[in-house]
Amino acid sequence: EAGVAQSPRYKIIEKRQSVAFWCNPISGHATLYWYQQILGQGPKLLIQFQNNGVVDDSQLPKDRFSAERLKGVDSTLKIQPAKLEDSAVYLCASSRVGELFFGEGSRLTVL
Amino acid sequence: AQSVTQLDSHVSVSEGTPVLLRCNYSSSYSPSLFWYVQHPNKGLQLLLKYTSAATLVKGINGFEAEFKKSETSFHLTKPSAHMSDAAEYFCVVSEPNYGQNFVFGPGTRLSVLP
Repeated sequence: EAGVAQSPRYKIIEKRQSVAFWCNPISGHATLYWYQQILGQGPKLLIQFQNNGVVDDSQLPKDRFSAERLKGVDSTLKIQPAKLEDSAVYLCASSRVGELFFGEGSRLTVL
Repeated sequence: AQSVTQLDSHVSVSEGTPVLLRCNYSSSYSPSLFWYVQHPNKGLQLLLKYTSAATLVKGINGFEAEFKKSETSFHLTKPSAHMSDAAEYFCVVSEPNYGQNFVFGPGTRLSVLP
């Protein structure tokens, strides 16, 4: 069974530029999560999807972050415009039977 | 709402000695509890999980954790540390009745000295 796929693995941008991250969950997993992990901290939930509907986006900075999962499978997380404090690893996870499966993450550096 | 406290940000042990990583949680319902490990520049991997069955849970690589409801704790232990255990460890709480939301603790960095 293929794992959670994420791309790109690394991205360096200047502040005020935009960036997009892609995630393809494990086949058949209805729930998809995006987490932000700042260096030295635990992952923080940004948004949770159930199929193509949003379950929780209470911690998503909606003035600059957006996410979609149009067909209930893969998902895209966008940041526009980026700030220095957005430098972090963006983790995608999917779940089945109450367990999270993570991708390897996308590391963003904002200069 | 659920929350997790990991009492030590950094634990250092010698190879071959026991490991204890502490975790306390807050939850309004009967939670599921997990420990995840993250090696440098790697993804998060599940070590073990508690989901209201046996209170002593065995995981991969010789790790185990005990759920103590009266103490709201879920400490992670291993009898003998190995150099390859050096990593970041996260305690996670989830309330299945609360939309399958997983909340992470801040993490404990485990160093293993030769």
